[in-house]
Amino acid sequence: AQKITQTQPGMFVQEKEAVTLDCTYDTSDPSYGLFWYKQPSSGEMIFLIYQGSYDQQNATEGRYSLNFQKARKSANLVISASQLGDSAMYFCAMRKAGNMLTFGGGTRLMVKP
Amino acid sequence: NAGVTQTPKFQVLKTGQSMTLQCAQDMNHEYMSWYRQDPGMGLRLIHYSVGAGITDQGEVPNGYNVSRSTTEDFPLRLLSAAPSQTSVYFCASKIGGASYEQYFGPGTRLTVT
Repeated sequence: AQKITQTQPGMFVQEKEAVTLDCTYDTSDPSYGLFWYKQPSSGEMIFLIYQGSYDQQNATEGRYSLNFQKARKSANLVISASQLGDSAMYFCAMRKAGNMLTFGGGTRLMVKP
Repeated sequence: NAGVTQTPKFQVLKTGQSMTLQCAQDMNHEYMSWYRQDPGMGLRLIHYSVGAGITDQGEVPNGYNVSRSTTEDFPLRLLSAAPSQTSVYFCASKIGGASYEQYFGPGTRLTVT
């Protein structure tokens, strides 16, 4: 069975500093995809970044990068130069059968001014 | 494009009542899905559809029915509401292909008393 684990229920980061949100996964499929979503207090789900299991390079999207370590089955999200607007819940998710997603429990990030 | 729309935004039901949560997308996406998010948790897949006329169960399908008669619409029916179904419900859609992200609707907050 596929499983996503996010071990940090909550984290603080100082504004303008970088922060890493952890995500580990478990799957027996050789082909899979990993996603990160942001959920601000308003509740909507915002797509941030995607990493395919066969991608040779780590994904980057602006201030977001994904530290993909396949052998360790980890897909950590790195946010550089944190901003106050980055305060939100962050969810790691993995593509499963039918191209739907299985989600981790989330990490609440709080950015301090 | 309106993207993915959900109605209603909020709903309160009594135990045993039935209702339908509406979801529509105007992006001609093949894939649509329903997730529920309980407090402090990640999203869990209820049902999904890979095209008109095709539906399948997710992780937590009990107590819910779906149908997909058109590409645009994917309603979720609660057959006999229970307090355990109190949750926020998200509809999502995506185009075919493994690497593409899901677009989420704004959510429906359902309370069953």
